[in-house]
Amino acid sequence: QVQLVESGGGVVQPGGSLRLSCAASGFTFSSYGMHWVRQAPGKGLEWVAFIRYDGSNKYYADSVKGRFTISRDNSKNTLYLQMNSLRAEDTAVYYCAKDRVVTTVTFAFDIWGQGTMVTVSS
Amino acid sequence: DIQLTQSPSFLSASVGDRVTITCRASQGISSYLAWYQQKPGKAPKLLIYAASTLQSGVPSRFSGSGSGTEFTLTISSLQPEDFATYYCQQLNSYPRITFGQGTRLEIK
Repeated sequence: QVQLVESGGGVVQPGGSLRLSCAASGFTFSSYGMHWVRQAPGKGLEWVAFIRYDGSNKYYADSVKGRFTISRDNSKNTLYLQMNSLRAEDTAVYYCAKDRVVTTVTFAFDIWGQGTMVTVSS
Repeated sequence: DIQLTQSPSFLSASVGDRVTITCRASQGISSYLAWYQQKPGKAPKLLIYAASTLQSGVPSRFSGSGSGTEFTLTISSLQPEDFATYYCQQLNSYPRITFGQGTRLEIK
């Protein structure tokens, strides 16, 4: 079945780095744009980053621009989020999510992973 | 950025009730609106996109309407599995998309 599985979360000190991964299965990963969305504890949803199906275009939320980098390896059906210069306010569950329409950017997320928790604390 | 305001923020209702959640945008977004359902400890689930199009597999008791700045999500007859938090999302100004603050629907 269609599935996204995140990994790589954990506890990191302020200023530290972490790389999240999202393994995709059950669909043609290389044909869909992919996103990262986060949710701070007890808070709402915040979109973080997007990468086009072929990696040719990337977008970031202002809150992470210059610190986070989204990438993908279509040969491995895997999405990544490299997070540098982490801050306490980056503490959240990070979800990877699939864009709804093949090769098109819609920013509607039809498949989500289970999430991975990132805690930034000294 | 376009702000989305959901009302109410909290809703208490009974199984079988008809409930409506409203989402208002700070500026017109045509029909570029989606609705998600999130249960505690779980990922969100897409219910509706393009303001009124039901995502595949979503029960027909869910419906969406609206355009411009005012939108509604209606559940025609609440089922026990519908008690969750609901979020609207505007897609008009991508990549500067935003979510509403959420509406928590609880059992009365």
